[in-house]
Formats: sequence, structure tokens, C-alpha cells
Amino acid sequence: DAKTTQPNSMESNEEEPVHLPCNHSTISGTDYIHWYRQLPSQGPEYVIHGLTSNVNNRMASLAIAEDRKSSTLILHRATLRDAAVYYCIRARDNYGQNFVFGPGTRLSVLP
Amino acid sequence: GAVVSQHPSRVICKSGTSVKIECRSLDFQATTMFWYRQFPKKSLMLMATSNEGSKATYEQGVEKDKFLINHASLTLSTLTVTSAHPEDSSFYICSASSSEAVSYNEQFFGPGTRLTVL
Repeated sequence: DAKTTQPNSMESNEEEPVHLPCNHSTISGTDYIHWYRQLPSQGPEYVIHGLTSNVNNRMASLAIAEDRKSSTLILHRATLRDAAVYYCIRARDNYGQNFVFGPGTRLSVLP
Repeated sequence: GAVVSQHPSRVICKSGTSVKIECRSLDFQATTMFWYRQFPKKSLMLMATSNEGSKATYEQGVEKDKFLINHASLTLSTLTVTSAHPEDSSFYICSASSSEAVSYNEQFFGPGTRLTVL
């Protein structure tokens, strides 16, 4: 099963860091981990992706466990605009092919 | 950045009619396009993958004769919902990927099309 597991929902206060966990215990050695987020009635937006090493970009950081069976998306300072559904996706190669979306985590950010 | 558009953004049609949804990559060539369906408060479900100039590959359980996909150029893919019924009402989202430059490891998603079948 290529799906990942995530908590259904999480809450955070504005300006605080948020750690969104994801389990992908059956991941294979060549699968990439992608994170996307979706606002209501919009298409998903790319956040970050990685393979083995931790990754940073202007939006977030991605921490990947050494055994690659789990990862954590880190938003360093949550804003109200970060409220969205966050999807952790196992991709079968680095060309964005064969995305299988799990149910995602609905993040609420409290002012 | 890479932009994907969809048209129309929303459509309402009568049961039994066919509806065509367009997906365009505006500033890059999309070697592969994907079509997803999303029901309210549910996740995205991949319907089919299409490569330019070849037949689409449909996911299990998706009727290829009902959801016709055409990917005739590197910037345009269309999804036609034939003989639509109320249960086809959903949010349809396309995405595109490209082997060009450094963006090939992402899927770029369109804004979605809300289909309501009366």
C-alpha cells in the first residue's frame, strides 16, 4: 500500500512552530517524500520534498527519519495563511509520478 | 513559476449531458498530466495519467469510456465527462509535470473545476 498515515487534524497558535508527522513504514529505497497543502476549493500547492537528507526551503523544513519510515514537516512560525490540509505523499520516483494522496492533516492556526 | 490553469472553474449541467474540462500548462511543456477527483472533505483520488501523444492510463475502477482524456499537445489536456450523472458531481483537479530544468520533481496543480450535475 503506497498510502501514508497522518493525524486527521492538528492545532497551532500563530507565530509558533508546527510539526506535522507522517508515517510511511513501507517506503522503498527509491520513493521520494513530497508534501503538498490545499486550501479550500483550490488545487494543492507544493511545499517541499526529499529522499534521505533533511531539506529546507523558504516555506518549511522536512526532517526524514534515518530509517525513512517517517518524516516531519516543520513550519517554523505558523501564520493564519498556513491553515490548510497538508498531504504527505510517497512518490514512486522523482518525476512526480504516481502520487497517492492519503487523507492529510487539517491544520488549524489560532490567532 | 510553473502555472497550470483549468477551464471552466465551475460548471453546472443537466444529467445526461457531456462536459469538457480543459487543463493548460501556461509557461512550461507538460510531458505528463494527471487528473484527480475530490469529493467534499475527502482526499484527492488519481483518476488517470496521460502522456502527450499517447493514450491515458486509468486507475483501477475509473471507466475510460466515461472519462475521456485527450493530451494532444504539450500544453493542453482535456477531460470529458460523458453522459454525466449526479454522482459525477465532484471537484476535478489536473496537475502537470515536466522533465525540463529543475522543476521536474514537482507536480503543478491547477485550481480545480467544480462540476455539479443536476
